[in-house]
Amino acid sequence: AQTVTQSQPEMSVQEAETVTLSCTYDTSENNYYLFWYKQPPSRQMILVIRQEAYKQQNATENRFSVNFQKAAKSFSLKISDSQLGDTAMYFCAFIHSSGSEKLVFGKGTKLTVNP
Amino acid sequence: DAGITQSPRHKVTETGTPVTLRCHQTENHRYMYWYRQDPGHGLRLIHYSYGVKDTDKGEVSDGYSVSRSKTEDFLLTLESATSSQTSVYFCAISDYNEQFFGPGTRLTVL
Repeated sequence: AQTVTQSQPEMSVQEAETVTLSCTYDTSENNYYLFWYKQPPSRQMILVIRQEAYKQQNATENRFSVNFQKAAKSFSLKISDSQLGDTAMYFCAFIHSSGSEKLVFGKGTKLTVNP
Repeated sequence: DAGITQSPRHKVTETGTPVTLRCHQTENHRYMYWYRQDPGHGLRLIHYSYGVKDTDKGEVSDGYSVSRSKTEDFLLTLESATSSQTSVYFCAISDYNEQFFGPGTRLTVL
């Protein structure tokens, strides 16, 4: 079975600094997608960034970027120039690119950005 | 934003009563999902649907049933609610790998 592990239950960072959230996953498949979702206090789940496993280039979305290490099954999220609005729970998630379309989530990392 | 609504948004009920949560989409996406979110567990899949009248179980399906009679609606039913089903329930839709989430329903079973 596929699993996703986020080893940092909580993290904090100062405003304008950079922070990296860790995620590892376990799968025997070769084709899959990885995601980072953000859940602010409003509870809405917001897609931050996605990465296709077949792409070697790391995905980037404005201040958010990933470090995708396929051999190590690692998928970390880097937030640059942290803003107060980045305070949220962050979930790493995994899905196979074919089959049942079932998303597997990690347990989340609570990020607090301090002024 | 993807057109997904959930109703009700909040509900308090008593143990043993039936409860139905509704998810409605306007995107015509094929796949629909129900998750529950509990502290320390992240989101866990309850049931999902891959088409009208086509559903399958997820990781935590015991005590829940679902129905999808139309593309746009996916219902989650707790036949006899228990306190362990107190949770926040999210609906999601997907057309190709990427899932979009509804606003969530907070259910409290007393």
